[in-house]
Amino acid sequence: EVQLLESGGGLVQPGGSLRLSCAASGFTFRSYVMYWVRQAPGKGLEWVSTILGSGATTYYADSVKGRFTISRDNSKNTLYLQMNSLRGEDTALYYCAKGSRDTGWPDWGQGTLVTVSS
Amino acid sequence: EIVLTQSPGTLSLSPGERATLSCRASQSVSSSYFAWYQQKPGQAPRLLIYGASSRATGIPDRFSGSGSGTDFTLTISRLEPEDFAVYYCQQYDSSAYTFGQGTKLEIK
Repeated sequence: EVQLLESGGGLVQPGGSLRLSCAASGFTFRSYVMYWVRQAPGKGLEWVSTILGSGATTYYADSVKGRFTISRDNSKNTLYLQMNSLRGEDTALYYCAKGSRDTGWPDWGQGTLVTVSS
Repeated sequence: EIVLTQSPGTLSLSPGERATLSCRASQSVSSSYFAWYQQKPGQAPRLLIYGASSRATGIPDRFSGSGSGTDFTLTISRLEPEDFAVYYCQQYDSSAYTFGQGTKLEIK
């Protein structure tokens, strides 16, 4: 059974940093593209970032480019999102997701909440 | 960036009725890379349809997807009480993936 467990969320001041983690199990982690998606309170879904299986290729939404860095440790089956220069508009529930272009994104974690506030 | 616009914003129907949800893209999207998700309060999104018309594992056959180019549709043939939720469309054709703003399906 695929399991994705996010952690690392919390309250941070504007301009601060936070690193999110997503521990994966139940599948061959290194073989899959992984994603971060966020959802501001009461709002819709926003794709944040993508990383290919090797970790060599990454993509970012314009709203986070230059501030967030996605990475993965295939030896630890863990996905990361380093978030710097955080803003109020980054406040959201952050989900990690697994999928492929052939099957869509069928597997999601339960999310970790990031609150940016002074 | 491909913008997805869903309509209506809210749909009020009764159990047993048919629901038709629409999603329009700002430019053509490959139907191979178009999906629909369902989200209930306090839960993660659940994949319903991928490739515009393929049901994900475990999804009842009352859910169906269709469309191509810039216009896509999710149809729920006969609404069950558990179907009342928010539905999102998504394109994963370009490297900048986007979601629609959502359609809330509520009980009339």
